[in-house]
Amino acid sequence: NAGVTQTPKFRVLKTGQSMTLLCAQDMNHEYMYWYRQDPGMGLRLIHYSVGEGTTAKGEVPDGYNVSRLKKQNFLLGLESAAPSQTSVYFCASRSTGTGRSGELFFGEGSRLTVL
Amino acid sequence: AQSVTQLGSHVSVSEGALVLLRCNYSSSVPPYLFWYVQYPNQGLQLLLKYTTGATLVKGINGFEAEFKKSETSFHLTKPSAHMSDAAEYFCAVSEYSSASKIIFGSGTRLSIRP
Repeated sequence: NAGVTQTPKFRVLKTGQSMTLLCAQDMNHEYMYWYRQDPGMGLRLIHYSVGEGTTAKGEVPDGYNVSRLKKQNFLLGLESAAPSQTSVYFCASRSTGTGRSGELFFGEGSRLTVL
Repeated sequence: AQSVTQLGSHVSVSEGALVLLRCNYSSSVPPYLFWYVQYPNQGLQLLLKYTTGATLVKGINGFEAEFKKSETSFHLTKPSAHMSDAAEYFCAVSEYSSASKIIFGSGTRLSIRP
């Protein structure tokens, strides 16, 4: 049972380059989320999706785009990377059946460095 | 909007000592509260959660937390620390919205001294 899988796990980019992070979950969860983790700031929500074909902005959406073409996948894109986007990115999913009490299931993270 | 404040970015205790990690929340509706733990180079995993009912919640690895509405607190405790408890701990609140977003605190790093 893989749970939530993120690829790639590590990536180094130059300023201005683009890239896509892929998140895949095999739990048939409706809700999926992208967070970034920075020292002393906890996890901040970038974008989220409540179902296939839907996306919405979180707390820090600028500079990122997302797509949810398939229920099991949630892609996070950086069109023109900036050093401020150096961070560890976490994908998470959640079942709607449990409502507000449902826990998030996290991937292992993707460490991105922008030079 | 709901929010979470964790007091103390770093807590250090001796092995065998009491662990106390503090969390206060702000919410205009009955909160659903969570503690997550993150071990080095891993994702977060659920430690325990409070939804309704009993205010003292027991989680994995001997941790527990008590929901105190009057103090808007949800502090995490463990009677006796073990070296394997060294990790980062996050308190979180489930936002009252259709998207059911979870809002995280800034985290507390727990170190255990031999």
